[in-house]
Amino acid sequence: GAVVSQHPSRVICKSGTSVKIECRSLDFQATTMFWYRQFPKQSLMLMATSNEGSKATYEQGVEKDKFLINHASLTLSTLTVTSAHPEDSSFYICSARGGLVRNEQFFGPGTRLTVL
Amino acid sequence: SQELEQSPQSLIVQEGKNLTINCTSSKTLYGLYWYKQKYGEGLIFLMMLQKGGEEKSHEKITAKLDEKKQQSSLHITASQPSHAGIYLCGEDRGTSYGKLTFGQGTILTVHP
Repeated sequence: GAVVSQHPSRVICKSGTSVKIECRSLDFQATTMFWYRQFPKQSLMLMATSNEGSKATYEQGVEKDKFLINHASLTLSTLTVTSAHPEDSSFYICSARGGLVRNEQFFGPGTRLTVL
Repeated sequence: SQELEQSPQSLIVQEGKNLTINCTSSKTLYGLYWYKQKYGEGLIFLMMLQKGGEEKSHEKITAKLDEKKQQSSLHITASQPSHAGIYLCGEDRGTSYGKLTFGQGTILTVHP
């Protein structure tokens, strides 16, 4: 399957700082990328849909000013958690669509964010 | 409320046994995805089903989508410890850009 990478894999930051997470499709152009959040022992919750060159679409209850998403190119989307607080600590996973089989969606390895 | 129900929530089997995980939607599916996840890692794509009655297999894993496109099952034959993990089904309702809504997951443990 297609390869999607995320960076960093783990990040620990102080409360009040901002953290940027990158999601890259390595071997295909991703017209759409998705950002999910996963709490321990829970399923994935979609946060936002990101399309290259346009504004992200956020799910209900997700603060767009808190979670800034930029889809700058067909291979890169970034999620910035602004003014992070301990309750933002979570596992963030991105996924990308647009490979050989357009309906397939491939996931990155995830980023573990811990806010102290 | 959870619109995509997975069952069972957890499953413990002895190596070599067969097992089935079910995924039921309250609405007709445009597409149904199966993924496997190791705790703290990303999701590994297993299979995608779109047509009613469709069945796909990969190695010892078979997934089916019923004719009404509301229920899917994932069957593992002769389970191995390497099959252990969290299995997630995700539904695509044909909304914009193909976003997925996931079930709560099934935690599979395979004892050697």
